[in-house]
Amino acid sequence: EAGVTQFPSHSVIEKGQTVTLRCDPISGHDNLYWYRRVMGKEIKFLLHFVKESKQDESGMPNNRFLAERTGGTYSTLKVQPAELEDSGVYFCASSQGRVGRYNEQFFGPGTRLTVL
Amino acid sequence: QKEVEQDPGPLSVPEGAIVSLNCTYSNSAFQYFMWYRQYSRKGPELLMYTYSSGNKEDGRFTAQVDKSSKYISLFIRDSQPSDSATYLCAMSDETLYNFNKFYFGSGTKLNVKP
Repeated sequence: EAGVTQFPSHSVIEKGQTVTLRCDPISGHDNLYWYRRVMGKEIKFLLHFVKESKQDESGMPNNRFLAERTGGTYSTLKVQPAELEDSGVYFCASSQGRVGRYNEQFFGPGTRLTVL
Repeated sequence: QKEVEQDPGPLSVPEGAIVSLNCTYSNSAFQYFMWYRQYSRKGPELLMYTYSSGNKEDGRFTAQVDKSSKYISLFIRDSQPSDSATYLCAMSDETLYNFNKFYFGSGTKLNVKP
C-alpha cells in the first residue's frame, strides 16, 4: 500500500512569489492534516480536513495560506505571497475515520520550502 | 508556555545502552501519547502510542505515561546504530471521533555509536 506522498520534495522561491504544495493521502483515508515545522521549532498543526470539509483550521497562520481538498482526495496548500518566515518543512498526514478508536496519523516525507 | 516540552539533545550513547527519552506537558486533557521516529529527510513514523496512564511494551521499546506528573518516557533497550534518529513525542486529547490534531515536542536527536 502506498503511503502519504507529497510534491514537491523541495521548493525554493523568492519572497512575494506563490507556491503550491500537494499532498496525496493514503487511499481511503478521510482525514487529512497539514503540519509545519519551522527551523528549530516543533511540528505545529495547521489544519484538518474530513473528506472535502475543513474541520479545524485553527493553526493556519494568516490569510496568505489557502488549503483545499477538492473531491476529498488530494489536498493543496497554497502560500501567496510567500514571506521569509514561511520557510520550513510542511508535512501532510492522513488517517482513517474510525469512530471511537485510535486513528493513527501517517505522515508524508514533507515538502521543504525555502523563501529567499 | 509550550504545550509539550522535549529536550532536543543531541543524545549520544554506545551500542547496547539503554536510552531514556522524555517529554513533559501542560494540558491535562491529553489522553493519547505517541512516540514517532524520524530519520533524516523522512516523515515521522509511529513507534507506539499509549492511551491514558500506564506502560506499553513493544520489543525493545517501552512507553510510560504518568498523567499525575504530566510526564511521558520512551525507553529503548539494547540500542542499535539503526536507532539513530530524531524521536518526537506527540499528544492529543480525546473526543468522540478521535480525529484530533497532534501537539508535538521539538524532538530529541539520538546517535547510537557502534
